Amino acid sequence: DQQVKQNSPSLSVQEGRISILNCDYTNSMFDYFLWYKKYPAEGPTFLISISSIKDKNEDGRFTVFLNKSAKHLSLHIVPSQPGDSAVYFCAASSKGSARQLTFGSGTQLTVLP
Amino acid sequence: NAGVMQNPRHLVRRRGQEARLRCSPMKGHSHVYWYRQLPEEGLKFMVYLQKENIIDESGMPKERFSAEFPKEGPSILRIQQVVRGDSAAYFCASSFSGGGYTEAFFGQGTRLTVV
Repeated sequence: DQQVKQNSPSLSVQEGRISILNCDYTNSMFDYFLWYKKYPAEGPTFLISISSIKDKNEDGRFTVFLNKSAKHLSLHIVPSQPGDSAVYFCAASSKGSARQLTFGSGTQLTVLP
Repeated sequence: NAGVMQNPRHLVRRRGQEARLRCSPMKGHSHVYWYRQLPEEGLKFMVYLQKENIIDESGMPKERFSAEFPKEGPSILRIQQVVRGDSAAYFCASSFSGGGYTEAFFGQGTRLTVV
């Protein structure tokens, strides 16, 4: 029972272009969404988050979009840089679950120079 | 300003031994979460603790696993009588508060290998 799904296990993008990573969720109780970036042998690093009262949040090169009716969120990275190559995890939480995070399975982003 | 500290980074145990994983949260954080990542999978929630209290252990296996977060010292995840299937990366995260919108910050993880 995957409540958070990242259907693309991998994505390759040319340096300077836009990277779009997608995430779908099924639990309508989720009200807070986060993106984490993870390098091999390291812990996830927080990137950006969005609450369900918003539909967009921007931080530098990173923008997260939330479509509640479709239960879909996406992370846009523009322009993409080789250092962005990592696994990106989408995560969701709800107040009712004491803010535990439910993670997707991740998308490996490779930015080609 | 140290982040979340986990030790050891790597732990090798023989089947049937005990594994103890330690986590010191970020300064000022009183909420600790443990997650497990099996190979080729995402992170799975195990347990959420505050000082001296287990708040939510719905993701913990019913047997052999336990966790604590004492008043003084790090949080400990303990696995008794380890089996090969326990081999995974175990991540600890901490947050300033648990109820509102707050990011959880992760440690570098402990990679447990059961041989």
